[in-house]
Amino acid sequence: LVMTQSPATLSVSPGERATLSCRASQSISSSLAWYQQKPGQAPRLLIYGASTRAIDIPARFSGSGSGTEFTLTISSLQSEDFAVYFCQQYNSWPITFGQGTRLEIK
Amino acid sequence: QVQLVQSGAEVKKPGASVKLSCKTSGYTFSEYFIHWVRQAPGQGLEWLGRSNPKSGATNYAQKFQGRVTMTSDASISTAYMDLSRLGSDDTAVYFCARETICIGCHAFDIWGQGTLVTVSS
Repeated sequence: LVMTQSPATLSVSPGERATLSCRASQSISSSLAWYQQKPGQAPRLLIYGASTRAIDIPARFSGSGSGTEFTLTISSLQSEDFAVYFCQQYNSWPITFGQGTRLEIK
Repeated sequence: QVQLVQSGAEVKKPGASVKLSCKTSGYTFSEYFIHWVRQAPGQGLEWLGRSNPKSGATNYAQKFQGRVTMTSDASISTAYMDLSRLGSDDTAVYFCARETICIGCHAFDIWGQGTLVTVSS
């Protein structure tokens, strides 16, 4: 089950909205998570169940979608949000990840 | 607080094996699956498998079947991953991660800091 993220790199100014996409090669219902990873750090869980925010994740992060198309939206970018974002499906084994979207400062 | 602390960096020769540890604290070890995920330099994330600390049951990615073994020692709240017949393409940071508790969820809410494994002759 292949997860494809787009775009590979997204340039956005602080305070603006960022929209990241993730597509599954077959339906995964809502079995999708999003992670944020900064250089030299482990990934951090943001969203699971496609739209449920993990503990302590700010409300500016939201997830949507089901089936094969998913979106992570960051409503007003803060400086600490510039990082790489990965989607992950857990509908079927093996668990697979997208290749990542790098969110950079414009 | 909940923590997963991994063992230190390893350098191995091709064909060798490596055993990594993941010491947990701050929660009941037996109640959460532990997964292992790796990340080659500058690359994405790859899932290797998971273990159930309570039962000892495991699920491995087919790619690693026969080469990976995941175990745990509940007496010291520690999970282990053994990877054999190492090749240069096994050079990566290996993470352990705790599976979050929600029905049908295999997302990872707590991660270790990662262990760099370098395979080089």
